[in-house]
Amino acid sequence: QVQLQQWGAGLLKPSETLSLTCAVYGGSFSGYYWSWIRQPPGKGLEWIGEINHSGSTNYNPSLKSRVTISVDTSKNQFSLKLSSVTAADTAVYYCARGLWWAAARYYYMDVWGKGTTVTVSS
Amino acid sequence: SSELTQDPAVSVALGQTVRITCQGDSLRSYYASWYQQKPGQAPVLVIYGKNNRPSGIPDRFSGSSSGNTASLTITGAQAEDEADYYCNSRDSSGNHQGVFGTGTKVTVL
Repeated sequence: QVQLQQWGAGLLKPSETLSLTCAVYGGSFSGYYWSWIRQPPGKGLEWIGEINHSGSTNYNPSLKSRVTISVDTSKNQFSLKLSSVTAADTAVYYCARGLWWAAARYYYMDVWGKGTTVTVSS
Repeated sequence: SSELTQDPAVSVALGQTVRITCQGDSLRSYYASWYQQKPGQAPVLVIYGKNNRPSGIPDRFSGSSSGNTASLTITGAQAEDEADYYCNSRDSSGNHQGVFGTGTKVTVL
């Protein structure tokens, strides 16, 4: 059974860089899109971006200038960095496993981490 | 367009049927996936593809799609189905980004 375990700093000051890592246990790392999603307090889900095992990335255009997602296949881990954070970046951040099969019109995220609460405050 | 629109809230009597809809241009190219989220918990995939349920998801959950609209139906709603529900798809305009719907709060009366 695949599990995702995520960790990272939970309290940041404005202008700092958010850094989170997600480890994949119990399954293959290749063939999937490893994703980051966030949810501000009391609001809906926002897709941040994704990376596959070969390092190909896709980002939300609204965050693209500040986001970097990287992968370490030797450790079955992937990471999120979000620079120049502000209070608007306060949210619960989730990592997830995505499957994208365009020819069959399929896209979904079937395994999720438990979430990391990140607060940006001076 | 990468927007997916959902009704903010719906209610259903215990044991009755409720349909949640999701509208967006990307749904002409991709099936929606649907997620259930209870307070303080991570989202859980309940429907993906044409109408597929992951292991462990009750068969009272079903999905359908027509044109730019996807629907999630709960047939015989239970108290434990009270949650927020989000649809999800890929942008079909070339950005290749994922996109979530605005979310629907389902209340079971």
